[in-house]
Amino acid sequence: EAQVTQNPRYLITVTGKKLTVTCSQNMNHEYMSWYRQDPGLGLRQIYYSMNVEVTDKGDVPEGYKVSRKEKRNFPLILESPSPNQTSLYFCASSFRNEQFFGPGTRLTVL
Amino acid sequence: AQTVTQSQPEMSVQEAETVTLSCTYDTSESNYYLFWYKQPPSRQMILVIRQEAYKQQNATENRFSVNFQKAAKSFSLKISDSQLGDTAMYFCAFWTGETSGSRLTFGEGTQLTVNP
Repeated sequence: EAQVTQNPRYLITVTGKKLTVTCSQNMNHEYMSWYRQDPGLGLRQIYYSMNVEVTDKGDVPEGYKVSRKEKRNFPLILESPSPNQTSLYFCASSFRNEQFFGPGTRLTVL
Repeated sequence: AQTVTQSQPEMSVQEAETVTLSCTYDTSESNYYLFWYKQPPSRQMILVIRQEAYKQQNATENRFSVNFQKAAKSFSLKISDSQLGDTAMYFCAFWTGETSGSRLTFGEGTQLTVNP
């Protein structure tokens, strides 16, 4: 089954404690993205990757890092999380105009 | 820069009735795609309908149809025969291609409630 998986699905953490949200896709897509969803703002792109070792900033990259060492994986790293990064995060992979979203990760930073 | 605006934060409709959700966008691109996504309480992002800007015919998917007005940059979603399962957040989104990182630009969302 074609899918995008994310882990964990829920995470509560404290300010400054480094965390990683994993994302994996099994469709051999070149493009992958991370979005965050906030009330009244919709979804906004954080980072994207066009292929292995190729990443670039989206609309709201501050406070985040990503890596793309393998085609299937695109982890999102928060080196020092802050309360304003409390949000719902989605990973997506895409082929042309079709986007496949993961199930989302609800992150709370206390 | 592309922008997408959904001016109705919340809407409600009675079961079996018809409801229309509004979306406007701004772009200087000539070719692009527009989408409506549904997000039920499970938070899953579900594609409802897709429209290519070059196609004049409005897209339809069963009870869902769009009114695409390219000159007015308007892309509304009509849901006919509303069902309780249609209760969800609906997002309008815009895509111009892979040169911009294959980014979808989303509107703010409209929370639709279908009442029994």
